[in-house]
Amino acid sequence: SQKIEQNSEALNIQEGKTATLTCNYTNYSPAYLQWYRQDPGRGPVFLLLIRENEKEKRKERLKVTFDTTLKQSLFHITASQPADSATYLCALWPAYSGGGADGLTFGKGTHLIIQP
Amino acid sequence: DGGITQSPKYLFRKEGQNVTLSCEQNLNHDAMYWYRQDPGQGLRLIYYSQIVNDFQKGDIAEGYSVSREKKESFPLTVTSAQKNPTAFYLCASRPGTGATNEKLFFGSGTQLSVL
Repeated sequence: SQKIEQNSEALNIQEGKTATLTCNYTNYSPAYLQWYRQDPGRGPVFLLLIRENEKEKRKERLKVTFDTTLKQSLFHITASQPADSATYLCALWPAYSGGGADGLTFGKGTHLIIQP
Repeated sequence: DGGITQSPKYLFRKEGQNVTLSCEQNLNHDAMYWYRQDPGQGLRLIYYSQIVNDFQKGDIAEGYSVSREKKESFPLTVTSAQKNPTAFYLCASRPGTGATNEKLFFGSGTQLSVL
């Protein structure tokens, strides 16, 4: 069966350091991978999208890598701040999808805590 | 402001009662979705609609119903047949151009609890 796995344990990082979150998937042929941020009691907010032919994507302090051989994406936050504390979700659009909703599947998310 | 509005923020259901969660968007998006989120769990798809007057079941549609009479509105009814309705419900939308790289826009969610 298709699976998206994110580290379910909370990740504690010291302020100013780089936080790295992992998203692994199995039995997918993803064309695109997305990352979202979710704050408690709120809906997820889109952060970044990376295509399968892109190795790396950057946006301000955020960097995403996508390795289709390892079936893994890494999400980095550099110079982390307490305001970056949230749950981060990865989501996949498989290559076969025609854009229908059943193509976008989410991982359970990783809770990131940036300590001052 | 453009966006997705979900109401109410908190909802309580009595046993045997049907309740309806509202979702309205003014983004002119064709596609709309309902997800359920349980603590420590990922988002699970309940229903989706890609066009007015049409909708499809997602992974966990049993005990739920939807309608799509207007492009802007996609209400979700949690029926008495849903035996474990306590969860955080999220509505989302996307333009629906057919491209597979579209991002989803989410509402702020409704927390449903059973009395």
